[in-house]
Amino acid sequence: KQEVTQIPAALSVPEGENLVLNCSFTDSAIYNLQWFRQDPGKGLTSLLLIQSSQREQTSGRLNASLDKSSGRSTLYIAASQPGDSATYLCAVTGANSKLTFGKGITLSVRP
Amino acid sequence: DAGITQSPRHKVTETGTPVTLRCHQTENHRYMYWYRQDPGHGLRLIHYSYGVKDTDKGEVSDGYSVSRSKTEDFLLTLESATSSQTSVYFCAISPESLSNQPQHFGDGTRLSIL
Repeated sequence: KQEVTQIPAALSVPEGENLVLNCSFTDSAIYNLQWFRQDPGKGLTSLLLIQSSQREQTSGRLNASLDKSSGRSTLYIAASQPGDSATYLCAVTGANSKLTFGKGITLSVRP
Repeated sequence: DAGITQSPRHKVTETGTPVTLRCHQTENHRYMYWYRQDPGHGLRLIHYSYGVKDTDKGEVSDGYSVSRSKTEDFLLTLESATSSQTSVYFCAISPESLSNQPQHFGDGTRLSIL
């Protein structure tokens, strides 16, 4: 059974810092990996999707990498801002087409 | 936002009562999903649909049923609600099952069962 782990559960950083959020998964037979953002009381917003054949994807200040063989992904956020404060979830799509989610990392960016 | 509307957004009800949550989409996507989100568990798949009248179970389907009579609507029913079903419920849509387009999520329904 696929398991997705995100550690730590919470992170607090000062504004302007570059930061890395980690995600690990146990079964490397994935179709893709996605990073989502969730604001309090809201649904999930897709940030980046990396296909299994890709190594990274970039969108603005966000860069996500995927190392399928080692079961790891990182989300890099450059020059963090208070508006980046949210919960970030990692999810992998297995060959059965189902998404398995991590529990998320709650990020707080202090002004 | 992708055109997904969940209703109601909040509901409080009593143990043993039936509850139906609705998900409505305007994207004409084939796949629709119901998840629940609980502290310490993350999001878990309850049921999903791959077309009108075509549904299947997810990871935590016990105590839940679903129906899809139209492409745009996917209903989740708790036949006899229990306190363990207090949760935040999210609907999601996708054009295909194995798609390299992300699933799009609704804003959720917060359900409290007393």
